[in-house]
Amino acid sequence: QVQLQESGPGLVKPSETLSLTCAVSGYSISSGYYWGWIRQPPGKGLEWIGSIYHSGSTYYNPSLKSRVTISVDTSKNQFSLKLSSVTAADTAVYYCARMGWETGADYWGQGTLVTVSS
Amino acid sequence: NFMLTQPHSVSESPGKTVTISCTGSSGSIASNYVQWYQQRPGSAPTTVIYEDNQRPSGVPDRFSGSIDSSSNSASLTISGLKTEDEADYYCQSYDSSNRNWVFGGGTKLTVL
Repeated sequence: QVQLQESGPGLVKPSETLSLTCAVSGYSISSGYYWGWIRQPPGKGLEWIGSIYHSGSTYYNPSLKSRVTISVDTSKNQFSLKLSSVTAADTAVYYCARMGWETGADYWGQGTLVTVSS
Repeated sequence: NFMLTQPHSVSESPGKTVTISCTGSSGSIASNYVQWYQQRPGSAPTTVIYEDNQRPSGVPDRFSGSIDSSSNSASLTISGLKTEDEADYYCQSYDSSNRNWVFGGGTKLTVL
């Protein structure tokens, strides 16, 4: 069974960088698929942030591209998100997911709430 | 950029049938597969339909998906509504020209 688990600080100060890691178990990232981050502000809808292929190729939401970096560590079977220059508008539940361009997100982490506040 | 538009909310009575639409902003929605996710409060989304009309194991056959090329839209139909179907539903597809995954804004289904 594929499982994903997000980890990282739940509180980030404005203008700082949000950093999250997603640990994957039950499937080797090196075997394929895209690995992505999706967020959901409180009371709002889902927003795709970006995805990384197991080879390291990255794809980002154009609205966030200038602030986002996604990387993968195949040796630890995990991938990470960095979002710079955060504001209160970046407060959201952040999900990691296994993604396919045909099948969408078929496995999701439980999500982690990140609050941007001083 | 490619966008997906859903109604903000729909409501229907138990036992009835409801259809939620998802309209593509440009191009052909049939060019890439559409997925549908169900999200209950406080939980991560789960897939109820993938590749336009396929149901994952464990999803009841009361859930079905379809594509209408003439209106450039996808639809999720839930028959025999149950109170447990009350949730938010999101459509999602892939913008192959920009290599972006796109979500619709979500539809709140109320079963009353």
